[in-house]
Amino acid sequence: DIQMTQSPSTLSASVGDRVTITCRASQSISSWLAWYQQKPGKAPKLLIYKASSLESGVPSRFSGSGSGTEFTLTISSLQPDDFATYYCQQYNSYAGWTFGQGTKVEIK
Amino acid sequence: EVQLVESGGGLVQPGGSLRLSCAASGFTFSSYEMNWVRQAPGKGLEWVSYISSSGSTIYYADSVKGRFTISRDNAKNSLYLQMNSLRAEDTAVYYCARPGLQQLRAFDIWGQGTMVTVSS
Repeated sequence: DIQMTQSPSTLSASVGDRVTITCRASQSISSWLAWYQQKPGKAPKLLIYKASSLESGVPSRFSGSGSGTEFTLTISSLQPDDFATYYCQQYNSYAGWTFGQGTKVEIK
Repeated sequence: EVQLVESGGGLVQPGGSLRLSCAASGFTFSSYEMNWVRQAPGKGLEWVSYISSSGSTIYYADSVKGRFTISRDNAKNSLYLQMNSLRAEDTAVYYCARPGLQQLRAFDIWGQGTMVTVSS
């Protein structure tokens, strides 16, 4: 099975900060990576698919990059609505979609 | 409006069974693969099971293989998860999630979730 490792687990930042979250795969997944945002008590929301494609309706301050085994999610200027937990997900193969353990973005 | 609505969660004793349902609306359900994903209290997301659009191809996470059964009824626009031999570690919010076609199978639509508690 492909393992996904996110870092950091928790991130403290202020409004306006540039924030970067990293996700590493245990083997190459090409660009088959998605990023989700989840707020307490809510379902996850798709932000980025195919490593760098922005989902419709998602603000352009969110961006994704990477391929192979290393990926990043960047928020260019953190907004109050962005304080949440972020998950990466690989969907390289059908026999197991794996999520990272999550990164909680907290108010500094 | 494109929507997924789960139901069927509740409190069940260890070793018991429960059947979850996911009602789809606002899109051509029969054209889409579907998945179940769960989240234990305070924990991260865990993929549980996949079913192809026709129902002919199915996959399970190792943690539920042999105990859970995914199925669908395209005529009723519904997805199901039959959960048997439930354990305390199956306690979680269960989401149904749709892999989007434009999103190249990333999960673009999620239900609100249904809580399953396994406890005596």
